[in-house]
Amino acid sequence: EPEVTQTPSHQVTQMGQEVILRCVPISNHLYFYWYRQILGQKVEFLVSFYNNEISEKSEIFDDQFSVERPDGSNFTLKIRSTKLEDSAMYFCASSALSGLALNTGELFFGEGSRLTVL
Amino acid sequence: AQKVTQAQTEISVVEKEDVTLDCVYETRDTTYYLFWYKQPPSGELVFLIRRNSFDEQNEISGRYSWNFQKSTSSFNFTITASQVVDSAVYFCALSRGSGGGADGLTFGKGTHLIIQP
Repeated sequence: EPEVTQTPSHQVTQMGQEVILRCVPISNHLYFYWYRQILGQKVEFLVSFYNNEISEKSEIFDDQFSVERPDGSNFTLKIRSTKLEDSAMYFCASSALSGLALNTGELFFGEGSRLTVL
Repeated sequence: AQKVTQAQTEISVVEKEDVTLDCVYETRDTTYYLFWYKQPPSGELVFLIRRNSFDEQNEISGRYSWNFQKSTSSFNFTITASQVVDSAVYFCALSRGSGGGADGLTFGKGTHLIIQP
């Protein structure tokens, strides 16, 4: 069964360092997303990406964050200068258009990358 | 603005009991989608169901059933004859449907379900 894969599964970094989280979405999907979940809290939408550009972003996704699809398979989230409050589980997700136009299809989530900022 | 409320922070039941997880949502959109996801202790998010706002039929899948009531803006999830493996955090989520596939999901805070043997 196709799946979304994320690397690394866990990263520990020092405050102020740059971090890149990587995701390989399901190959025929068109929409890509990043979500985060601070420990014990709800899952929060960060950004969606379609046709090589950001479609929608939340207020959490400030100038410290960026996303990129550097090649045909990877989808990355970069945090430019990490802060303590960036410590969270980051989930990548992808979806395909369903057969009905304008439907939001099922989102397939990866297993997450746990980021710990010290 | 959209909002999803899962008022039950934690529920603990004994195995084989039925349990219902509540979800109430707020949206101004006429077209929207509702989801339930399961997050087991291992941390991944497992898709359970998607329901669009035009389809109020209840759905049953094995021991799982969902009751969508537009009149009360609720999308409740019932597990019948619960099992220890059902122990997880369950999230209800809402997405706008009018903007195409790129819309983000708004998640509730989750309900931690504990099934005791």
